[in-house]
Amino acid sequence: GNSVTQMEGPVTLSEEAFLTINCTYTATGYPSLFWYVQYPGEGLQLLLKATKADDKGSNKGFEATYRKETTSFHLEKGSVQVSDSAVYFCALSLNAGGTSYGKLTFGQGTILTVHP
Amino acid sequence: GAVVSQHPSRVICKSGTSVKIECRSLDFQATTMFWYRQFPKQSLMLMATSNEGSKATYEQGVEKDKFLINHASLTLSTLTVTSAHPEDSSFYICSARDPGSNQPQHFGDGTRLSIL
Repeated sequence: GNSVTQMEGPVTLSEEAFLTINCTYTATGYPSLFWYVQYPGEGLQLLLKATKADDKGSNKGFEATYRKETTSFHLEKGSVQVSDSAVYFCALSLNAGGTSYGKLTFGQGTILTVHP
Repeated sequence: GAVVSQHPSRVICKSGTSVKIECRSLDFQATTMFWYRQFPKQSLMLMATSNEGSKATYEQGVEKDKFLINHASLTLSTLTVTSAHPEDSSFYICSARDPGSNQPQHFGDGTRLSIL
């Protein structure tokens, strides 16, 4: 089956520190990969995505590269801010036909806290 | 961008009552909507997939009679938690698929359900 494994948290960093959150996956097909962010009391927002090997998704200073050889999609940011404090979810979706996405499979989430 | 509105954002009620949560796609037609449950500090668990005009498809282990889903129009799906008990307390999140979007799903802000 399909699964996503994220590095266990919580992760606590000082402002301007470098962030890495590891994510690996197993999939029966060729998935698209995503990072979602959830701020306290809210739903999920798409942070970035990559749909094929070696693609790099980036947004708001965050980036992740689709590595097929290591089945990984690690999230990185060079300098975190207090406002980045949230829960981060790695996810995959298999193509359901044409350009349609299938169901999302989520990792367990990683809580990030950034201190001033 | 595609907006999904979920209502109410928070509800507190007595054990034994039924609670209805609404999920609306505001600026697109959603043929498919999804309902998730999220326990504290855990990932999202897909409960069911809701298709407009047909019965919902429930994930294994989710009680159909407990969690009633109705997708009566292309912009509205409802989740009714029947005869709710304290163990049903959780954060429920809906999402909707926009066929014209490059994202797999757009998420509502969630509903915090507390059963006393």
